[in-house]
Amino acid sequence: AQSVTQLDSHVSVSEGTPVLLRCNYSSSYSPSLFWYVQHPNKGLQLLLKYTSAATLVKGINGFEAEFKKSETSFHLTKPSAHMSDAAEYFCVVTIPNSNSGYALNFGKGTSLLVTP
Amino acid sequence: DAGVTQSPTHLIKTRGQHVTLRCSPISGHKSVSWYQQVLGQGPQFIFQYYEKEERGRGNFPDRFSARQFPNYSSELNVNALLLGDSALYLCASSSPGPSSEKLFFGSGTQLSVL
Repeated sequence: AQSVTQLDSHVSVSEGTPVLLRCNYSSSYSPSLFWYVQHPNKGLQLLLKYTSAATLVKGINGFEAEFKKSETSFHLTKPSAHMSDAAEYFCVVTIPNSNSGYALNFGKGTSLLVTP
Repeated sequence: DAGVTQSPTHLIKTRGQHVTLRCSPISGHKSVSWYQQVLGQGPQFIFQYYEKEERGRGNFPDRFSARQFPNYSSELNVNALLLGDSALYLCASSSPGPSSEKLFFGSGTQLSVL
């Protein structure tokens, strides 16, 4: 079964320092992986998507993630944190449904706190 | 262009009641999915509909049902509400086909069951 595990429930960084949010995946085949962000009282927004075209995926707002098959990881990084990056981040893998549809399987989330 | 819109934004119900949540997808999107997000957890898949047909169902009891209309809007119905149904219910739409994996989410309906 396709699943993801987010290794940290909370991460705290200082503004201007690098961000690393860790995610490991489990999949019986080459997965489609995503990172979504959820700001307070707002809907989920897609940050980036991996679909095997390239192992390093660039997303919005300066975020990127690297797919490492040997480590079954898909960690999210950003070189320099901004106060506006404070939010909940979800690592996601797709699960195909039996009727040609699919579902997103979300991790439990990592809460990113950015301090001045 | 308008994004995914959900109504109502907040709702308070009591145990045993029924609730209907509504979702309008982005114009041109034919697939609608529903997710339940309990406080402190990641969203859980409930349903996917494409062209008015159910394409997938998550591990939720039969008290949960949904449908999609000819204009691609959707309703999520929950019968016999339980306290544990209190959650943020998210609707997402995608295009062009049922297997399109890029979902656009609405802001959700916050349901409180007392």
